[in-house]
Amino acid sequence: GAVVSQHPSRVICKSGTSVKIECRSLDFQATTMFWYRQFPKKSLMLMATSNEGSKATYEQGVEKDKFLINHASLTLSTLTVTSAHPEDSSFYICSASSGAGGYNEQFFGPGTRLTVL
Amino acid sequence: QKEVEQDPGPLSVPEGAIVSLNCTYSNSAFQYFMWYRQYSRKGPELLMYTYSSGNKEDGRFTAQVDKSSKYISLFIRDSQPSDSATYLCATDSGTYKYIFGTGTRLKVLA
Repeated sequence: GAVVSQHPSRVICKSGTSVKIECRSLDFQATTMFWYRQFPKKSLMLMATSNEGSKATYEQGVEKDKFLINHASLTLSTLTVTSAHPEDSSFYICSASSGAGGYNEQFFGPGTRLTVL
Repeated sequence: QKEVEQDPGPLSVPEGAIVSLNCTYSNSAFQYFMWYRQYSRKGPELLMYTYSSGNKEDGRFTAQVDKSSKYISLFIRDSQPSDSATYLCATDSGTYKYIFGTGTRLKVLA
């Protein structure tokens, strides 16, 4: 099956710093990538959808200036949490889809746990 | 009303039991229905997906969709301790965006 990786798997940073998380599709070209956030014992909440070469589409309530998304190639998307604060601590999960219409299976990465001190 | 409702559990069952996990949804436009399994601190992995009403079986897992009542189910036969995880239902109306339920935590006791 299709494999999606995320790096780093875990990061701890100080309040006010920026953190970049990478999401890569290893064996397929991802025309669309998605970024989710998951709080403990809660479901996945979609933050934004990005298509290669274009600006990300953010969900309502998600600050685009705080969560910068870049989808520079068909295999790589990055999420940068700028000026991180403790309330940004969460589990961030990306997914990727080759998107050919109909059922668009999303393949999920293993997630990145961010802790902001 | 949430678009997808799912009982968060936790649900504890003895090994070998049949497990029934359920979700309801509100939008009749949803066409695809997925079940994901998520182990603690890991990304979700797809178990099954179905399109429209009906049943789909894969080994010990059976997914069932009833579009008339907007009800989806996942049955696990002969449950094993390794099945202990959070099970998430999700729908996709064909617009790329998935909508997830809150997930049901399942614990299978040896």
